[in-house]
Amino acid sequence: KAGVTQTPRYLIKTRGQQVTLSCSPISGHRSVSWYQQTPGQGLQFLFEYFSETQRNKGNFPGRFSGRQFSNSRSEMNVSTLELGDSALYLCASSLLEGGEQYFGPGTRLTVT
Amino acid sequence: EDKVVQSPLSLVVHEGDTVTLNCSYEVTNFRSLLWYKQEKKAPTFLFMLTSSGIEKKSGRLSSILDKKELFSILNITATQTGDSAIYLCAVAGAGGTSYGKLTFGQGTILTVHP
Repeated sequence: KAGVTQTPRYLIKTRGQQVTLSCSPISGHRSVSWYQQTPGQGLQFLFEYFSETQRNKGNFPGRFSGRQFSNSRSEMNVSTLELGDSALYLCASSLLEGGEQYFGPGTRLTVT
Repeated sequence: EDKVVQSPLSLVVHEGDTVTLNCSYEVTNFRSLLWYKQEKKAPTFLFMLTSSGIEKKSGRLSSILDKKELFSILNITATQTGDSAIYLCAVAGAGGTSYGKLTFGQGTILTVHP
């Protein structure tokens, strides 16, 4: 079974721009969670989607948003990028809410 | 607010040594505790421990959960250089604001020298 895939793998953007990241979960998994990983803050929860509904959101500003499609693929969007948004963005999928989460390879975003 | 604290933050050992990594937690309405291994890429799932499964073992790795004292340990025996990685502990709460959310510790950086 294919693992979680994320595109693109690397991205360089300029302050003020916006970016969209994509995540395809493991086949059959309906829950997709997004995390931001930085050296200073570690792994922090952004939001979770299940059956196209955002079920939970972490403590991030409204510039961070996401959605999930009927095939469980998910996208996250960051608008008005700031230097501090530079990070590794990871998505994880789970068969059941509360089950073990399997992570994709991540998208490395650099904001200049 | 859920909280996870791992110790030590870093550890250097030689091949063949046994290591114990610690994880203490505070979580509202505990559901599970998970261990992940992260090399130069995404975290790889190792174990999930719940109220009904407080001890897990896979090869040289094993983990236990103490729900009373709110901690878990990850043991690695006969370490190999390939065990060098960051080991992350995470907890999941149940229901409400915990849907799909894992709260991670800072991680333990393990370095195994030949």
